[in-house]
Amino acid sequence: EVELVESGGGLVQPGRSLRLSCKASGFKFDDYAIHWVRQSPGKGLEWVAGVSWNSGEIRYVDSVKGRFTISRDNAKNSISLEMNSLRHADTALYFCARDMRGGLWGIFDFWGQGTLVTVSS
Amino acid sequence: QSVLTQPPSASGTPGQTVTISCSGGRSNIESNTVIWFQQLPGQAPKLLIYSNNQRPSGVPDRFSGSKSGTSGFLAINGLQSEDEADYYCAAWDDRMNGFVIFGGGTKLTVL
Repeated sequence: EVELVESGGGLVQPGRSLRLSCKASGFKFDDYAIHWVRQSPGKGLEWVAGVSWNSGEIRYVDSVKGRFTISRDNAKNSISLEMNSLRHADTALYFCARDMRGGLWGIFDFWGQGTLVTVSS
Repeated sequence: QSVLTQPPSASGTPGQTVTISCSGGRSNIESNTVIWFQQLPGQAPKLLIYSNNQRPSGVPDRFSGSKSGTSGFLAINGLQSEDEADYYCAAWDDRMNGFVIFGGGTKLTVL
């Protein structure tokens, strides 16, 4: 059974850093791209970043470029999202989502349950 | 990076057919395929339609998708009470090295 479990969320002050993790199981991890998608309270979905199966392709939404870094460790079946210089607008539930393919297509066929990040002083 | 345009709400009675639209542009929907997600209250989103009209296994054939030019459409036939949810469209956008763009979401109410 495919499973994605996010962790690392919490309350953090503006300007500080946080590292999210996503642990995958139930499938051949290095065959698939993985993404982070966030949802602010009561709002819609926003794609944040994606990394292809071999880390050869990495993309970010404009609002996080230069502040967030996505990475993967295929030996550990895990994805990380390093978030620096956090802003109030980054407050959201962060989902880890598997792409149906190895490249970045945006076809998110499995999702985790999310980890909540709250940026507040 | 703006969003794809969806109606904020839609409604129908059980058994009816409801269609939700998703309007984009040349760099996203016209150049790439449309994807649809369903999000039930308090749950993670679920893939409903990909590549404009393909259903993952387990998705009822009451759900269908189509695309015309710069717009995508999700049709739900034989509406059921459990279809009450938020629906989001998405597509890859070719601008700025590429990114995924979502619609703002449509809240479907089954009356």
